[in-house]
Amino acid sequence: QKEVEQDPGPLSVPEGAIVSLNCTYSNSAFQYFMWYRQYSRKGPELLMYTYSSGNKEDGRFTAQVDKSSKYISLFIRDSQPSDSATYLCAIPVLSGGSYIPTFGRGTSLIVHP
Amino acid sequence: SQTIHQWPATLVQPVGSPLSLECTVEGTSNPNLYWYRQAAGRGLQLLFYSVGIGQISSEVPQNLSASRPQDRQFILSSKKLLLSDSGFYLCAWSRGGYTYEQYFGPGTRLTVT
Repeated sequence: QKEVEQDPGPLSVPEGAIVSLNCTYSNSAFQYFMWYRQYSRKGPELLMYTYSSGNKEDGRFTAQVDKSSKYISLFIRDSQPSDSATYLCAIPVLSGGSYIPTFGRGTSLIVHP
Repeated sequence: SQTIHQWPATLVQPVGSPLSLECTVEGTSNPNLYWYRQAAGRGLQLLFYSVGIGQISSEVPQNLSASRPQDRQFILSSKKLLLSDSGFYLCAWSRGGYTYEQYFGPGTRLTVT
């Protein structure tokens, strides 16, 4: 089982929809969770990070962690065409004495007008 | 504020030729540095990371190498490129310690012909 799994999509929604993007992870000891957005042919940019369980909100974006299910989610309210991008989750995993972010494959989101 | 630079933006190289990609970070000191490769439609594959000058850890054995000649400079090299080396190469930095958020450069799109 991979440490971080993410459905690649694509996920296509109409403008204004609420979007739910999800990742599952394998190790219940993981505590730190990150979401990145990557536009086509660009480097990923950090959207949000959360520590342990619960929700964190930033504008139209909400990150949620369910440690009992080993499931993390990113919700986008009132989605816009400019939200069309690939969204990657990342979790720091111990490797060679350092914690290195391990990324999911990313989910491609298309918001159509 | 911190800035990360990568060059060149695009590169077309024949099989068997050498490679040198450069990454520099401004506005911070002693960052952790990372090289990733992203193949089309796939996730981020960690190639190398460095927690200090002269300290390089390799995640994937292959014909690539990395060096960190200065605190904020990270170089990815190859003596002889293979067709399978084509992809989108991304450099990233993080503050290290108990912070894991990474900040990515704009990437280099490498095509080996």
